[in-house]
Amino acid sequence: AQKVTQAQTEISVVEKEDVTLDCVYETRDTTYYLFWYKQPPSGELVFLIRRNSFDEQNEISGRYSWNFQKSTSSFNFTITASQVVDSAVYFCALSDNNDYKLSFGAGTTVTVRA
Amino acid sequence: GAVVSQHPSWVICKSGTSVKIECRSLDFQATTMFWYRQFPKQSLMLMATSNEGSKATYEQGVEKDKFLINHASLTLSTLTVTSAHPEDSSFYICGVAGGGTDTQYFGPGTRLTVL
Repeated sequence: AQKVTQAQTEISVVEKEDVTLDCVYETRDTTYYLFWYKQPPSGELVFLIRRNSFDEQNEISGRYSWNFQKSTSSFNFTITASQVVDSAVYFCALSDNNDYKLSFGAGTTVTVRA
Repeated sequence: GAVVSQHPSWVICKSGTSVKIECRSLDFQATTMFWYRQFPKQSLMLMATSNEGSKATYEQGVEKDKFLINHASLTLSTLTVTSAHPEDSSFYICGVAGGGTDTQYFGPGTRLTVL
């Protein structure tokens, strides 16, 4: 069975602070995908990143960066120099690549205050 | 990423009526579509998975006769909430996958309120 844990329920920061969202996963599969999605107040889930289990390179995209560590089964997400527009719920998810099904974490609500 | 639409974006209906929600994949052929419901401040709960031309596979605890899913084409899936009751009020989201992508993309969601 797959499981995704996002231990942080809510994080509140002041604009320009960095914020790191933790994601720990469990799977028995050797091939799997990890995802991060953003859900702003409008409700639509926005795809941020996909990482497959064989690619442990960290990735940076603008103010976003991701740290994938297989040894600790973690796929953490950092927002650098946060902005008010980053306020949203962020979901980490896991797929075993066979049927596109996603196991979602509980989500972390990020509030960035001006 | 893929462009996915849902219609309607919100709907209010009386208890006992049926409501149909459409999910369309606008720019690629979605071999698999998913339906989720989300309660306030909670994660997404998968209701069912549908493959084009096949019957939907429902998750445990989801009533098949209550939530009718049709995936008639590679670009359209519908969720019909039959004889809706206030406890069916929720945010319903569709996800689409396939067409050579390993990523699931989501529609903007439909907020259903049953009075």
